[in-house]
Amino acid sequence: QSALTQPASVSGSPGQSITISCTGTSSDVGGYNHVAWYQQHPGKAPHLIIFHVSNRPSGVSSRFSASKSGNTASLTISGLQAEDEADYYCFSYTSSTIYVFGTGTKVTVL
Amino acid sequence: QVQLQESGPGLVKPSETLSLTCVVSGASIISNEDWWSWVRQSPEKGLEWIGEVHHSGATNFNPSLESRVTMSVDKSKNQFSLNLNSVTVADTAVYYCARGRDFTWGYWGQGTLVTVSS
Repeated sequence: QSALTQPASVSGSPGQSITISCTGTSSDVGGYNHVAWYQQHPGKAPHLIIFHVSNRPSGVSSRFSASKSGNTASLTISGLQAEDEADYYCFSYTSSTIYVFGTGTKVTVL
Repeated sequence: QVQLQESGPGLVKPSETLSLTCVVSGASIISNEDWWSWVRQSPEKGLEWIGEVHHSGATNFNPSLESRVTMSVDKSKNQFSLNLNSVTVADTAVYYCARGRDFTWGYWGQGTLVTVSS
């Protein structure tokens, strides 16, 4: 099972919106609505920000939104803030009854 | 609130067995809804799911590690464990434990660095 494909880096200025893509296959992202997104700051554990494709846990900013089309999931961060600078990982259940992470995207706030 | 805390040796010799424990507080490990997972992270491989265990004893493992992994639950101590045998330097990573519910992992431990070196 290969890792899901994400861009290595995305950057934006404060207040802007950025979108991170996560490309898989019909056996993972395209086949299930069990897609999640995690934010990870240096030295910290991953933090859940999106589950079941587009749902936000309580306490997560509404500036984070996500969707899926075919085999590609997307995470959008609106009104970019300095605290959003972190690594972001997508995550999906697969038909092999296992889980797979994305390759990770480093978000830089310019 | 739910908290998970990993513990175990920070240094393991090549060919030996890596053993970690995750103590769960604020939640019962015998909840039927929950699966208890191990994930590791290294600069080379990024985040990698190792496997999961249910209090019933059921397990699911990453095929790439399945031949070397065992997991178990200790209901009396509300904790679960990971054993990874025949380790090599490629197994050097930060190891996390996490709670899975409805295909969502909302609670993670802080992570523990395990280095494989002679």
